[in-house]
Amino acid sequence: SQQGEEDPQALSIQEGENATMNCSYKTSINNLQWYRQNSGRGLVHLILIRSNEREKHSGRLRVTLDTSKKSSSLLITASRAADTASYFCATDYRGSGSRLTFGEGTQLTVNP
Amino acid sequence: GAVVSQHPSRVICKSGTSVKIECRSLDFQATTMFWYRQFPKQSLMLMATSNEGSKATYEQGVEKDKFLINHASLTLSTLTVTSAHPEDSSFYICSAWGGLGYTFGSGTRLTVV
Repeated sequence: SQQGEEDPQALSIQEGENATMNCSYKTSINNLQWYRQNSGRGLVHLILIRSNEREKHSGRLRVTLDTSKKSSSLLITASRAADTASYFCATDYRGSGSRLTFGEGTQLTVNP
Repeated sequence: GAVVSQHPSRVICKSGTSVKIECRSLDFQATTMFWYRQFPKQSLMLMATSNEGSKATYEQGVEKDKFLINHASLTLSTLTVTSAHPEDSSFYICSAWGGLGYTFGSGTRLTVV
């Protein structure tokens, strides 16, 4: 399989806490993206980080990328119940517009 | 922002029949469209990649005669599941690339009875 791995597979936290999800991939990448999926719905793009970037912020989201370890992390600060969803990392190896390879995903549950 | 419309959102069909799923980019031209399959509590698995006007490229293990993909225009791609069987029941999601990023449809829940 070309899919990467994500951990944890499931994460349950209280509202207000921070949530950290990790993603590892297998080969050199062009960029890495994080997506969110509510149950039974399509994917919503959260943030993209390029291979020459190490950290990126967007609102309550912080993404890091370590190309030497082939890993990335997504931090959601001050979580809310509405953040409950599955989160996937996705990488493209051959440049923009090429196929995306998705990680296994982390199911995040934020308890009110 | 870019919007991709996917229809139907849910479909139930009898075993042996065919089902067509549409994926339409509403406000941009999609040079490439991707079709994914997702089983419950699992990740997205790429089935095929299609470019407008050319034959789709299928991933290993995906039967091209069973999953027919047509990308006849820059705004429309269709996936037809032929002679559907219960094991084809799944969540199918399309994604369109239009130069600025990937936009996903809302998915189609296919149930074959």
